[in-house]
Amino acid sequence: DAGVIQSPRHEVTEMGQEVTLRCKPISGHDYLFWYRQTMMRGLELLIYFNNNVPIDDSGMPEDRFSAKMPNASFSTLKIQPSEPRDSAVYFCASSLEYGVDTEAFFGQGTRLTVV
Amino acid sequence: QQQVKQSPQSLIVQKGGISIINCAYENTAFDYFPWYQQFPGKGPALLIAIRPDVSEKKEGRFTISFNKSAKQFSLHIMDSQPGDSATYFCAAKKTGRRALTFGSGTRLQVQP
Repeated sequence: DAGVIQSPRHEVTEMGQEVTLRCKPISGHDYLFWYRQTMMRGLELLIYFNNNVPIDDSGMPEDRFSAKMPNASFSTLKIQPSEPRDSAVYFCASSLEYGVDTEAFFGQGTRLTVV
Repeated sequence: QQQVKQSPQSLIVQKGGISIINCAYENTAFDYFPWYQQFPGKGPALLIAIRPDVSEKKEGRFTISFNKSAKQFSLHIMDSQPGDSATYFCAAKKTGRRALTFGSGTRLQVQP
């Protein structure tokens, strides 16, 4: 398996523009997570899904952020409109449902820069 | 509110030395404590994990020590190597949830 695949790897956009980040989880995994990493706040959970259903979106910072998982093999994180403070590395991760200590596998991240 | 506190922020160790990173938590609902390793430009990857019913877990050169009463756990890297230079995150998971809460990270540099 190729692992969790995120695209694009890098994104530079102007303030006010819409940004869409994409994630393909590992085939067969039931959970999908979106995390944001910044120097100031470290790794923060934004939202996670179980079987394509959002379970906890309490980490989504504002209404400008939205996430969808239309099927088991694809998820998007959208920021509209984007702001400079959204600049960060966004990670997607996936894991299996069964097993108490299941490992979360991370993608390589999308580095977002909003200018 | 930082639920998992990690220290130090950065650490420099000589090759062959022992690297020690510490974490503390408050929430007794945490039931799983993994450590993740992250290299520049990569996503975090699971290194080793422990549950609170064990006080120590060892995998190769990496050991987790867990003190349930003190609500603290630590990562020990024995015989540290330059290839261990990375950022290390402790994390914790609450019972009934799948999402991890991460510490702030420790940047480890092992000098040759």
